[in-house]
Amino acid sequence: TQLLEQSPQFLSIQEGENLTVYCNSSSVFSSLQWYRQEPGEGPVLLVTVVTGGEVKKLKRLTFQFGDARKDSSLHITAAQPGDTGLYLCAGARAAGNKLTFGGGTRVLVKP
Amino acid sequence: NAGVTQTPKFQVLKTGQSMTLQCAQDMNHEYMSWYRQDPGMGLRLIHYSVGAGITDQGEVPNGYNVSRSTTEDFPLRLLSAAPSQTSVYFCASSYAGGRGEQYFGPGTRLTVT
Repeated sequence: TQLLEQSPQFLSIQEGENLTVYCNSSSVFSSLQWYRQEPGEGPVLLVTVVTGGEVKKLKRLTFQFGDARKDSSLHITAAQPGDTGLYLCAGARAAGNKLTFGGGTRVLVKP
Repeated sequence: NAGVTQTPKFQVLKTGQSMTLQCAQDMNHEYMSWYRQDPGMGLRLIHYSVGAGITDQGEVPNGYNVSRSTTEDFPLRLLSAAPSQTSVYFCASSYAGGRGEQYFGPGTRLTVT
């Protein structure tokens, strides 16, 4: 059982549609990061959210941190083929020096 | 800057063989870590280091050793390879510890037969 559960595991949509990826836990995190990974490469950071209820926007991507800092979501508006990739959430606890990753959501945007 | 580099990119081992995965960074980051990535399981932390001479275990340390003699290098050693260690291995570094942005290398794809 993973500490951070991501859903869905796989999402296939048409260009122009919207999508939401969820990252849930029963634990509280001091901050949560979202990464995108393309085939054959390492993950690259998209955003970090640190305050409960925080909403951050990155062009067509909207990230939200839950009020209780146990969950987060990533919403993509009008998805494009360039948004295709593996999206990973990762949580950091207040104490310690470890980052815990979710299982990932694979997104495929078809033209 | 090259960022985080990893060698080799691909490796095939027989069960019982040993090898070292190399990782180097040129960003003067104190924090470095090793993850393995398996389908549907995201990234799992193997070992990490908060500075030269200091290492600690992550979630899945069994079968792996690390050392940190310099700030730049953080090699991962497989002592006696097993098929369960077939995976993609990523090295990462950060200027803000485990809670900061992680800069990942391109990965090493390891197959143990």
